Amino acid sequence: AAGVIQSPRHLIKEKRETATLKCYPIPRHDTVYWYQQGPGQDPQFLISFYEKMQSDKGSIPDRFSAQQFSDYHSELNMSSLELGDSALYFCASSQSGGSSPLHFGNGTRLTVT
Amino acid sequence: DAKTTQPNSMESNEEEPVHLPCNHSTISGTDYIHWYRQLPSQGPEYVIHGLTSNVNNRMASLAIAEDRKSSTLILHRATLRDAAVYYCILRPYGKLTFGQGTILTVHP
Repeated sequence: AAGVIQSPRHLIKEKRETATLKCYPIPRHDTVYWYQQGPGQDPQFLISFYEKMQSDKGSIPDRFSAQQFSDYHSELNMSSLELGDSALYFCASSQSGGSSPLHFGNGTRLTVT
Repeated sequence: DAKTTQPNSMESNEEEPVHLPCNHSTISGTDYIHWYRQLPSQGPEYVIHGLTSNVNNRMASLAIAEDRKSSTLILHRATLRDAAVYYCILRPYGKLTFGQGTILTVHP
């Protein structure tokens, strides 16, 4: 079965640079979620989109922005990168509906040097 | 978001059943009980979820107390591949909010 695809798998950037992470949801899933997981921490919710509109917002820095496109893929744009942005970034997708489970990708590991 | 409480860690032997408890005394009527697990360097993986009745799937069983203030995830025969962090999450709809999960260690 098709899974959530994230690219790139690994990304190394320097401080103050920008990064773009991409997420391709499972076909027919209309909701996308982004999470950040720092070393030794639990995943933290950043932002979500339903039918290309922002549906919820968590602890996402103002330096970050995201959007969902007409083909339902999503991109997380990160600017003015800081050392503390080094983390695993997960994307998840689901069908709308309260109990529909989230399906996660294997993440993008971002390292900021 | 309603809070859940799980033990920090649990240990099991391979091929034995594992019962992972979760307390959620402030659960509301619209909260589904979700369980996810995360293996090292992988994304969280959906395990099972339920509302009021016990649930079974190919991965596990979910036993929900009659008052819904607690639940137990049951792995019927633990394997080494079940070693992971297990998260019990209450979710009415939308995002999942991860709290501290249970680190399960499986001994050969």
